[in-house]
Amino acid sequence: SQQGEEDPQALSIQEGENATMNCSYKTSINNLQWYRQNSGRGLVHLILIRSNEREKHSGRLRVTLDTSKKSSSLLITASRAADTASYFCATDAGAGGTSYGKLTFGQGTILTVHP
Amino acid sequence: EPEVTQTPSHQVTQMGQEVILRCVPISNHLYFYWYRQILGQKVEFLVSFYNNEISEKSEIFDDQFSVERPDGSNFTLKIRSTKLEDSAMYFCASSAENPRGQPQHFGDGTRLSIL
Repeated sequence: SQQGEEDPQALSIQEGENATMNCSYKTSINNLQWYRQNSGRGLVHLILIRSNEREKHSGRLRVTLDTSKKSSSLLITASRAADTASYFCATDAGAGGTSYGKLTFGQGTILTVHP
Repeated sequence: EPEVTQTPSHQVTQMGQEVILRCVPISNHLYFYWYRQILGQKVEFLVSFYNNEISEKSEIFDDQFSVERPDGSNFTLKIRSTKLEDSAMYFCASSAENPRGQPQHFGDGTRLSIL
């Protein structure tokens, strides 16, 4: 698989349910970020987790990072119809001072939340 | 909240013509990026720019591409002799301070259609 692969590719749930999306990557990373993209719009930063962190919360979002398995998960709790969007993980593989923020994106998970 | 703005939102150009895509990053940001997203594919890194020079570029960013920050506020991407395969959404992004560990703020993109 390539750097930053999400699964599932598509997820359909009812409002109020939790949504979990997973991301796997291949190289060592500096940090991993999650972005949301509404149809026809740009990417909106959701949360950043550094390689020395294991879990991070922001509102209804919870992100975990397992560097030994090279994987991350994004949990959205109590989902709303407005959460309908594509969600991407992006890795910053920079190390040793050579990275200037280059992000490598996954294919994304299309989340549909039905009211 | 400050945002990254991109113009035009849609550009249609004949193959072989030159195009310039324009971006106004967030005013106090120091790092600037261009990404592209071909329809149905991943967001791909093109180039990063810091201190008036290219910091890193991908294999995609060949001699037909160039970037410039002409006046301290705009950040442009020029494609010299466009090809059909250059058709894509082009996203500009910026980040504050050291980008290693900082979120990137994206514009809504320019849809480039090459005929």
